[in-house]
Amino acid sequence: KQEVTQIPAALSVPEGENLVLNCSFTDSAIYNLQWFRQDPGKGLTSLLLIQSSQREQTSGRLNASLDKSSGRSTLYIAASQPGDSATYLCAVRADAGKSTFGDGTTLTVKP
Amino acid sequence: NAGVTQTPKFRILKIGQSMTLQCTQDMNHNYMYWYRQDPGMGLKLIYYSVGAGITDKGEVPNGYNVSRSTTEDFPLRLELAAPSQTSVYFCASSPLIRSYNEQFFGPGTRLTVL
Repeated sequence: KQEVTQIPAALSVPEGENLVLNCSFTDSAIYNLQWFRQDPGKGLTSLLLIQSSQREQTSGRLNASLDKSSGRSTLYIAASQPGDSATYLCAVRADAGKSTFGDGTTLTVKP
Repeated sequence: NAGVTQTPKFRILKIGQSMTLQCTQDMNHNYMYWYRQDPGMGLKLIYYSVGAGITDKGEVPNGYNVSRSTTEDFPLRLELAAPSQTSVYFCASSPLIRSYNEQFFGPGTRLTVL
C-alpha cells in the first residue's frame, strides 16, 4: 500500500526566505506526482505535475523535483511572499485510477 | 469552461438521512474521483471511475455509492448518514493520458451530520 508523508506538518518563515517542502512515498512505481495548494476552506489548486520520467518541473517561483529511487519529492519556493501562505499537498499516482495524498504542510509567511 | 462543479456547497443532515452530492465536469475527462477530507488531513479516495459505466472502490468506500451514466456526471450517494461522514467532499477529474493525467478539483461540499 502506497503511503505518502509530508514533513514538516507546519512551517513559519519570514517574507523573502527561500524554502523547501518535502514529500516522501513508499512505492517507487509511480505514474506521476502532483503538488497542490489549498487555501483555508477552499478547494485544491494544481501547482505542478511531474511525470515519472521527469526529474523536475518549474513554474514561476516554484520548482518541484522528483527522485523515484529514493521515494522523494521536494517543492522549492523562492523569495516567499505572504500570499504563499496556504497548505501544500502532494499526491502520488501509482495506479491508473488512484492517487494517495499526504496530509500536507501548512506554510505561514510572515511580512 | 466551468471545469468541475459541485452542488451543494454546504449541507447539514440528520443521522439516518440520505443525500446525493452532485459533480459535473465539462472537460470531457474520462477519469472522475470522489475524495473526502477530514480536518487537518489529506484527501482519501472514496470511489473513482475510468469512464461511463465503470466505477471502482477507493480507500474508504463504506457508506457510499456512485454511478457514472455519462462522461460528465459522477454523483455520490450517501445512504443512512452517520456522524463519521461529517467531512468536506471533493470531486475531481483527469484526462485519459496515463502519465500526465493532471487532476482538476471542484470547490468541495461541506457536509455535517448531526
